[in-house]
Amino acid sequence: EVQLLESGGGLVQPGGSLRLSCAASGFTFNKYPMTWVRQAPGKGLEWVSAIGGTGDDTKYAASVRGRFTIARDNSKDTLYLQMNSLTVEDTAIYYCARDWKCDYWGQGTPVTVSS
Amino acid sequence: QSVVTQAPSASGTPGQRVTISCSGSSSNIGRNNVNWYQQLPGTAPKLLIHTDNQRPSGVPDRFSGSKSGTSASLAISGLQSGDEADYYCAVWDDRFNAGVFGGGTKLTVL
Repeated sequence: EVQLLESGGGLVQPGGSLRLSCAASGFTFNKYPMTWVRQAPGKGLEWVSAIGGTGDDTKYAASVRGRFTIARDNSKDTLYLQMNSLTVEDTAIYYCARDWKCDYWGQGTPVTVSS
Repeated sequence: QSVVTQAPSASGTPGQRVTISCSGSSSNIGRNNVNWYQQLPGTAPKLLIHTDNQRPSGVPDRFSGSKSGTSASLAISGLQSGDEADYYCAVWDDRFNAGVFGGGTKLTVL
């Protein structure tokens, strides 16, 4: 059974940093690209970033490019999202999902940016 | 304002067929595969349709997807109360070199 478990969310001040993790199980992790999607309170889904299976190919939404870094450790079956220079607009639930088409999703981890 | 647009709401009565549309451009829907997601209240999204019209295993055949030009549609037949949810289309955009979601359509079953 495919499982994705996000962690690392929390409350952070504007300008701060946070690193999210997504532990994967139930599939061959290094065979699949992975995606981060976020959802601000009461809003729709927003595509954030994606990474290829080997970690060489990374993509970012314009809203996070230069501030967020996606990475993966295939030896640990874990996906990461390093978030720097956070603003209140980054407040959201952050989901990790498998593949470019997001065929499986985690339950999300909440990030709140507030002073 | 998303580069891929959806009507904010749709509704239907039980048993009815409803269609949710997603409008884009030549840089996204016009050249890339469209996926559809269902998000029930308080839960994570679920993939309903991928590659324009393919259903993952376990998704009822009441759900179907289609695409023509720069627009895509999700059809739900035999509407049930349990279908009340938010529905999102998603597609890769070559101009932005990033994925994009539509703004979402809230489906109400009357």
